[in-house]
Amino acid sequence: DAGITQSPRYKITETGRQVTLMCHQTWSHSYMFWYRQDLGHGLRLIYYSAAADITDKGEVPDGYVVSRSKTENFPLTLESATRSQTSVYFCASSEPPRPNGGRLFFGSGTQLSVL
Amino acid sequence: GQQVMQIPQYQHVQEGEDFTTYCNSSTTLSNIQWYKQRPGGHPVFLIQLVKSGEVKKQKRLTFQFGEAKKNSSLHITATQTTDVGTYFCAGPKAGGTSYGKLTFGQGTILTVHP
Repeated sequence: DAGITQSPRYKITETGRQVTLMCHQTWSHSYMFWYRQDLGHGLRLIYYSAAADITDKGEVPDGYVVSRSKTENFPLTLESATRSQTSVYFCASSEPPRPNGGRLFFGSGTQLSVL
Repeated sequence: GQQVMQIPQYQHVQEGEDFTTYCNSSTTLSNIQWYKQRPGGHPVFLIQLVKSGEVKKQKRLTFQFGEAKKNSSLHITATQTTDVGTYFCAGPKAGGTSYGKLTFGQGTILTVHP
């Protein structure tokens, strides 16, 4: 889905460095999410945002920071990268979920390696 | 907390064989969604089931939602090499501030041998 883009596609960094992963969507979806994908764990929610300036923690938020000053952007920052944060990171967006709704549209992902 | 378990973790089939993956939640779900992720790709929404006992079909794919709304299955008839990928089920966390967040199962990795 071309409406949600992530950058960079690949990133190699060193432990202790700050890294920011970018996410941009053109649909004006109010909800945005960050997931990490690791073998054996599926997709785990890091942070999510219901609207601009509204963010909340997911299952695995430690070591990550998010912001959402504009509806279309939802950057994820690793304040001091650790090897355990080596993963594939997916950004996703959705319309406000109806009582039984809320399908996710995923970006292409960022493969992050922390050495 | 809410857990969504998916089995099997891996499934290898010969082309033409059937395939089924099962999803079980520790809590009752208001709905369940299924996603497919091709190798090297990103998850793509397949379908959402809402009603107790619901069955939906998409060509060779059949999706079921259990009567108790705690389990679901995806069945593929006569697999093709294009079915290769990881299949995830996902359910929303119940109510309150968790509204809209999905808990994903670990996924079933399907390989199809031609």
